[in-house]
Amino acid sequence: AQRVTQPEKLLSVFKGAPVELKCNYSYSGSPELFWYVQYSRQRLQLLLRHISRESIKGFTADLNKGETSFHLKKPFAQEEDSAMYYCALIQGTYKYIFGTGTRLKVLA
Amino acid sequence: DGGITQSPKYLFRKEGQNVTLSCEQNLNHDAMYWYRQDPGQGLRLIYYSQIVNDFQKGDIAEGYSVSREKKESFPLTVTSAQKNPTAFYLCASSIGPVQTGELFFGEGSRLTVL
Repeated sequence: AQRVTQPEKLLSVFKGAPVELKCNYSYSGSPELFWYVQYSRQRLQLLLRHISRESIKGFTADLNKGETSFHLKKPFAQEEDSAMYYCALIQGTYKYIFGTGTRLKVLA
Repeated sequence: DGGITQSPKYLFRKEGQNVTLSCEQNLNHDAMYWYRQDPGQGLRLIYYSQIVNDFQKGDIAEGYSVSREKKESFPLTVTSAQKNPTAFYLCASSIGPVQTGELFFGEGSRLTVL
């Protein structure tokens, strides 16, 4: 079955420390993977997608097909990065499969 | 101000009552979605609609119903058949198939069954 796994419910790091939010997937075929973010009192919004290979707000994510992973990384965490992060993949044409989410807390 | 508007933000319902959650978008998007968000379970797809007058069940459609009579509107009815309706409900839209565009979300509606 297609699945997205985010093993950490909560990740706390200090400001300036590196961040890695883990995401593993199971999917038969070529996956399209995404990270969505929800800041406090804001809507859930797209952070980045693997096909665009871009860096958004200092975050990057590389698709590793061998390890079936799409971990989200940032070299130096900032307090404004504190949010809920969801990894997701597309199944078929219209359906996203979301992970259970990881809450990132960046401590001062 | 373009976007997706969900109403009401908070809703209380007695057991056995149906309730309808509203979702309106002015983004001219073809596709619309309803998700349910529960703590520790992420987002689960209830229903989605690719175009007007067409919709498909998602993973957890039992106890829910939808309609898509207008492009801008995709209301969700939580029926009394839904065994555990207390949850946070998110509506979303995309310009077309999600492969061609991102999902845009509303602010959500929190339903509490008393």
